Amino acid sequence: DQQVKQNSPSLSVQEGRISILNCDYTNSMFDYFLWYKKYPAEGPTFLISISSIKDKNEDGRFTVFLNKSAKHLSLHIVPSQPGDSAVYFCAASAQTGANNLFFGTGTRLTVIP
Amino acid sequence: NAGVTQTPKFQVLKTGQSMTLQCAQDMNHNSMYWYRQDPGMGLRLIYYSASEGTTDKGEVPNGYNVSRLNKREFSLRLESAAPSQTSVYFCASRAGMGIQYFGAGTRLSVL
Repeated sequence: DQQVKQNSPSLSVQEGRISILNCDYTNSMFDYFLWYKKYPAEGPTFLISISSIKDKNEDGRFTVFLNKSAKHLSLHIVPSQPGDSAVYFCAASAQTGANNLFFGTGTRLTVIP
Repeated sequence: NAGVTQTPKFQVLKTGQSMTLQCAQDMNHNSMYWYRQDPGMGLRLIYYSASEGTTDKGEVPNGYNVSRLNKREFSLRLESAAPSQTSVYFCASRAGMGIQYFGAGTRLSVL
């Protein structure tokens, strides 16, 4: 059963507007969350992460929000740029045990110029 | 700085053939991982190696074997390829706090 879910396979946004990508998880043991960005024919690249002790982490145009009670996180990109067009994967891990990552199925973001 | 290097980039096999996917990292990371990515499925963990000399099964290990040759290298072997193993394979290595760094992938087709 998918422990990390991205229910929107695709999202289109106008350049300069905000992009909001969503992710839900089911395992309450997850305490570290990451977003990866993937261009075609390349490997995923790390974008931003958040620990469960925080509810927000910001890095330039990228902000990740975590709502532990709802088991939900989101990635905000402001302002969106055409170069942000890619597939975004949400991932989660528990910092105990094997500490492996569990990935969502991805959301394809298209930023329209 | 090459990071994580995977070879080959592309491969076509016939059913029943064997092959080894190679992965090397130059970041001195202890942990290494093999994933497969299929349409609509995200990345699924095949095998991982928490440190040199150890390997463990992930979510989808059937039909695969791995070798952690040394700290740098982690190979994935398909002993008898099947069409269901057609996929894109990614190798990753891990720094602290769960961040994994990925190679560019190997696109495998099994006919």
